[in-house]
Amino acid sequence: EVQLLESGGGLVQPGGYLRLSCAASGFTFSSYAMSWVRQAPGKGLEWVSTMSGSGSNTHYADSVEGRFTISRDNSKNTLYLQMNSLRAEDTAVYYCAKDLTSSWEGWFDPWGQGTLVTVSS
Amino acid sequence: SSELTQDPTVSVALGQTVRITCQGDSLRMYYASWYQQKPGQAPVLVIYGKNNRPSGIPDRFSGSSSGDTASLTITGAQAEDEADYYCNSRDSSSSQVIFGGGTKLTVL
Repeated sequence: EVQLLESGGGLVQPGGYLRLSCAASGFTFSSYAMSWVRQAPGKGLEWVSTMSGSGSNTHYADSVEGRFTISRDNSKNTLYLQMNSLRAEDTAVYYCAKDLTSSWEGWFDPWGQGTLVTVSS
Repeated sequence: SSELTQDPTVSVALGQTVRITCQGDSLRMYYASWYQQKPGQAPVLVIYGKNNRPSGIPDRFSGSSSGDTASLTITGAQAEDEADYYCNSRDSSSSQVIFGGGTKLTVL
């Protein structure tokens, strides 16, 4: 069974930083692109970033480009999101998600349970 | 980047058929996928590609696409189908992924 478990969320002040982790199991981690998707309280889903299975390609939403960095450790089956210069508008539940196929289609399945990031003074 | 547009709310009578639509230029190049999200839960993929259902998704869920519009159809809606539904696709103008704003489905 494929499982994704996020951790690292919490309360951080504006301008601060946080690193999220997503531990994966149940599939060949290095074969799949992995993504972060967030959801602000009461709002819709917003794609944040994707990294290819090998780690050679990364993509970011305009809203986080230059502030967030996605990475992965295929030896540890773990995906990361380093978030710097955090703003109030980054407050959201952050989900990690596996691409359904081994080619990056943007079809996310499954999703983790999410971790809440709150940016507030 | 491009946008995907969804109706904010849709309602359907129990047992009837409902179509939820998603419109955007990127859908001329890429297939949409559809996600169901119930309160307090993570999204679940229900339709992807031309019209494919992941294992465990009931066959009352189906998808279609024409031009710049993708549709999710629920044939014989059940009470448990009441949820928020989101479409997404690759962005044809960038190396990004875009989501629609979501549709809240009410089953009456």
